[in-house]
Amino acid sequence: DTAVSQTPKYLVTQMGNDKSIKCEQNLGHDTMYWYKQDSKKFLKIMFSYNNKELIINETVPNRFSPKSPDKAHLNLHINSLELGDSAVYFCASTHSRQGADTQYFGPGTRLTVL
Amino acid sequence: GEDVEQSLFLSVREGDSSVINCTYTDSSSTYLYWYKQEPGAGLQLLTYIFSNMDMKQDQRLTVLLNKKDKHLSLRIADTQTGDSAIYFCAESIMYSGGGADGLTFGKGTHLIIQP
Repeated sequence: DTAVSQTPKYLVTQMGNDKSIKCEQNLGHDTMYWYKQDSKKFLKIMFSYNNKELIINETVPNRFSPKSPDKAHLNLHINSLELGDSAVYFCASTHSRQGADTQYFGPGTRLTVL
Repeated sequence: GEDVEQSLFLSVREGDSSVINCTYTDSSSTYLYWYKQEPGAGLQLLTYIFSNMDMKQDQRLTVLLNKKDKHLSLRIADTQTGDSAIYFCAESIMYSGGGADGLTFGKGTHLIIQP
């Protein structure tokens, strides 16, 4: 049983396309996140969602839009993909909003934009 | 602002202890974490420490926290080849609006094990 799962694991696409990455957690957590890891392995938070509300949006281009159909899912939709969007995207979830529980990460989605 | 600093590389011999250091700037951090990432894999939580603790030990792992200097370290005793990975230090972020905390990560320390 995978706690936090992401699909697809690999995504190769052309510049200008629109794509989505899906994330699901079966831990009953109420907060989910998206992180981006670049080619140098640097990790930065992009978004978090708590109870279907966007809590954080870290200066991410508006081509990126998180969508949460329910508490267990946080999908990442990217419009007009650019070369610089190539990275590994990690989804994570946690139980409580403030300062407490650890975050559980998905396996990552490697996005390559050609 | 928040900033977490780590050395990018550490090389140790198999069987020796590894000490990975991290400094952070946000004094309001409540939790500090160590994550491990093996090649091509996701992030695995190794351990975490509350900011009111000085030390935490879990089998081969020892975490030391110096709040005054905002310094965190991870010691891995008897380092094995399976410990070869990138180790990320991270601190939790509290947003003024009471929003959910995200993590600020250091750039990761590549631990290289020599035979």
